[in-house]
Amino acid sequence: NAGVTQTPKFQVLKTGQSMTLQCAQDMNHEYMSWYRQDPGMGLRLIHYSVGAGITDQGEVPNGYNVSRSTTEDFPLRLLSAAPSQTSVYFCASSYSRGGLNYGYTFGSGTRLTVV
Amino acid sequence: ELKVEQNPLFLSMQEGKNYTIYCNYSTTSDRLYWYRQDPGKSLESLFVLLSNGAVKQEGRLMASLDTKARLSTLHITAAVHDLSATYFCAVDSGTYKYIFGTGTRLKVLA
Repeated sequence: NAGVTQTPKFQVLKTGQSMTLQCAQDMNHEYMSWYRQDPGMGLRLIHYSVGAGITDQGEVPNGYNVSRSTTEDFPLRLLSAAPSQTSVYFCASSYSRGGLNYGYTFGSGTRLTVV
Repeated sequence: ELKVEQNPLFLSMQEGKNYTIYCNYSTTSDRLYWYRQDPGKSLESLFVLLSNGAVKQEGRLMASLDTKARLSTLHITAAVHDLSATYFCAVDSGTYKYIFGTGTRLKVLA
């Protein structure tokens, strides 16, 4: 099992450029989320999905779009990159059994720098 | 809106000592998760606490959950250098939307 795969691992963007961070999981998990991690801020939820075709906003959704056309994939799109979006981005997936959620499995992260 | 607070934010301790990290949250939830993160790495799941009074132990770490007090603790027993990392708690707001604490950076000194 590959688990949660994120690409790319590193990216440098110019202000105003757009790009898509890819996330794929092969565990048939229903739930997927995107987080950003900044020093001293912990992890902040950007968007999350409870199943294919269903997404919702997290704590810091502005400047980002997501879609979930399949169970496996949950790409994060930066519409017009800004220096404030310089961060490490983590994708995570999870499942539930009997109504209980057993925690997220995280990808290895994408380190994004916007100049 | 769910808020999750951890304290302390930084913890430097001697090997062999015991200490506790606290995770407080602001709204009702009975689902709390602890993660570990090594520098430059991703997050690794440590404990899943899914009911009031839940207690889980792994090696020198023990986690507990008191949903009435909205408090979870991560207790470290006889710390060793390998436990140096950042520890996060996360709370499920009830819709599979996890909110994380700001983390506790632990450094165990030899």
